[in-house]
Order: sequence, then C-alpha cells, then structure tokens
Amino acid sequence: DTGVSQNPRHKITKRGQNVTFRCDPISEHNRLYWYRQTLGQGPEFLTYFQNEAQLEKSRLLSDRFSAERPKGSFSTLEIQRTEQGDSAMYLCASSFTPAKNTEAFFGQGTRLTVV
Amino acid sequence: AQSVSQHNHHVILSEAASLELGCNYSYGGTVNLFWYVQYPGQHLQLLLKYFSGDPLVKGIKGFEAEFIKSKFSFNLRKPSVQWSDTAEYFCAVNWAATGFQKLVFGTGTRLLVSP
Repeated sequence: DTGVSQNPRHKITKRGQNVTFRCDPISEHNRLYWYRQTLGQGPEFLTYFQNEAQLEKSRLLSDRFSAERPKGSFSTLEIQRTEQGDSAMYLCASSFTPAKNTEAFFGQGTRLTVV
Repeated sequence: AQSVSQHNHHVILSEAASLELGCNYSYGGTVNLFWYVQYPGQHLQLLLKYFSGDPLVKGIKGFEAEFIKSKFSFNLRKPSVQWSDTAEYFCAVNWAATGFQKLVFGTGTRLLVSP
C-alpha cells in the first residue's frame, strides 16, 4: 500500500498523559498536513510542512501540541498533558506541490480518546 | 475569515433518485475546489476537483460538480444514486490568497441511500 499511513489507528489515554502519533506520507510528496476532525465537523487544519520546514500553524494548535518532520519524511504529532477536549480524529495528508494545483491524499487517521 | 458552508447535514434518498449537495465558500479570489467522500470505515478520498477551465467537472462514480463563481458555489450532483453512495461528503476549498496551502472544509453531508 503506497498511500498515507498513520499509526496508531486508535489511542485511548488518561487525561494528563502525553501521546504521539506518526504519519508516513506518500514517498515522493513534499508537503505534509495535519488536520483534526471532531464529531459532526469537517477536518480543521492544524499545521503543515514543506519538506522538513513547518510553515504554518493554526491557532488551534496550542502550546501543548508539537509537530515535527525530521528529514522531510515521516511526521510526528505530540500532545502533552492531554485534555478531554483533545478527543478527536487526527488526520494526516500529503501532496506533491511543485505548483499550486494539486490535491491532498489523506490517511485513515488516528482516533484519540482521552478519558 | 475563509469558510465553507454545506447546507444539508443529512440527506436520505432512495436508489435511483437524483442528488444535489450544496457548497458555498465565503471569500472571493482564485480558488481550488474539491469534493471528498468518506465511506464508512474508510479514509477521505477525492471525488473530484476544480482548478480552472470548464466549470463543470466530472469525477469518479458518475459524480459531477459545477463551479459558479458569481455565487461562490460548487454544488455536487449525481443523476441517479446507488446504495453504495452511502457516505459522508465534504466540500473543501483552498485560496490563492493563502497560497493554496491549506484546505478549509465544510461540516459535511451524511448521505444515506436506501435500497
């Protein structure tokens, strides 16, 4: 399977714990995005990388959230001191963007439940 | 702020009925427009896209969408739905004003097609 891969698929954690998610984009894609989706809502943009550089962060991304993309390949999203409001589906997407006209390919997401 | 509206949150149709899902975006200028579909238990998949040219675009599985710039709309249509079209449909937009860098999604329309 050469699509976007996310691990784990599901994560249940206690409030206050730290969690880390991983995303492996399609191999030749230089852009990588993180989105969050809560029940009844569409995905909301969190942050994106062009190669290893993090170019934009949403105001939704509080100080407890950090994302990295070392070497411009896979990416990790860490949430520190999780809160119940962090419960959501976290989606990763990637695209190849030499120009403006391209689409993003999504992974299956990591569903986080904070208890 | 840039936003995307989907007018119908839930739609129930019988097989062979025609479908039209509305999508409007809030902000003008040059845009790229997308419809994504999420089948139960699966990841977001691209249904169709508009970058430029003919405002009537055809996608997979018999879907089409029409871009009407004066109405800031990109409505999705299918002349005859099938049970297998049961899914959630998301309209998404990115703007030249923000470098086409991130997608803004609507809240989604959950379609149920009864056999």
